[in-house]
Amino acid sequence: AQSVAQPEDQVNVAEGNPLTVKCTYSVSGNPYLFWYVQYPNRGLQFLLKYITGDNLVKGSYGFEAEFNKSQTSFHLKKPSALVSDSALYFCAVRGGTNAGKSTFGDGTTLTVKP
Amino acid sequence: AAGVIQSPRHLIKEKRETATLKCYPIPRHDTVYWYQQGPGQDPQFLISFYEKMQSDKGSIPDRFSAQQFSDYHSELNMSSLELGDSALYFCASSLEASGANVLTFGAGSRLTVL
Repeated sequence: AQSVAQPEDQVNVAEGNPLTVKCTYSVSGNPYLFWYVQYPNRGLQFLLKYITGDNLVKGSYGFEAEFNKSQTSFHLKKPSALVSDSALYFCAVRGGTNAGKSTFGDGTTLTVKP
Repeated sequence: AAGVIQSPRHLIKEKRETATLKCYPIPRHDTVYWYQQGPGQDPQFLISFYEKMQSDKGSIPDRFSAQQFSDYHSELNMSSLELGDSALYFCASSLEASGANVLTFGAGSRLTVL
């Protein structure tokens, strides 16, 4: 069974500082990894994905994530946080051999303070 | 660009009633997914369809059923509603044939069971 862990319920950073939202995964075969963001009362929006290739993936709104196979991690990062980045972030995984569902982590609430 | 359309946006039902949620995927997307997100919870996978055939099944209760029609829209039918069914129900679509694997989510249908 595939699973995702987001160890932090809440991440607080000051505007302009770098941010990291952590994610580790467990899956059979090669992982497909995703980050989604959810604003209040809205659907999830795709940020970025790793399928294959370069371990550092760049996505929307200046976010990036690094795939680390040995640590089974896919942490989300941004060099300089904005107040507007405040939202709920979900990491998701699906196995390369599983064409069906994506499994989501519990979510991490990011709060960026001015 | 066209997005995933879900209806209704809000639905209020009483216990033991039935409810039907509708989802219209992005045109030419071949896969539809249904997720349930309870308050403060991560999205839980319910069921998916690929080319109108059920492709995967998650934690969907026996009281729920879903199908995908010839025009690719999907409906989630919920019967004998319980208080615990109150949640945000998301539909997502993707084009699996392209290998992109990115889910595009609708805005969700919020079901409240009284």
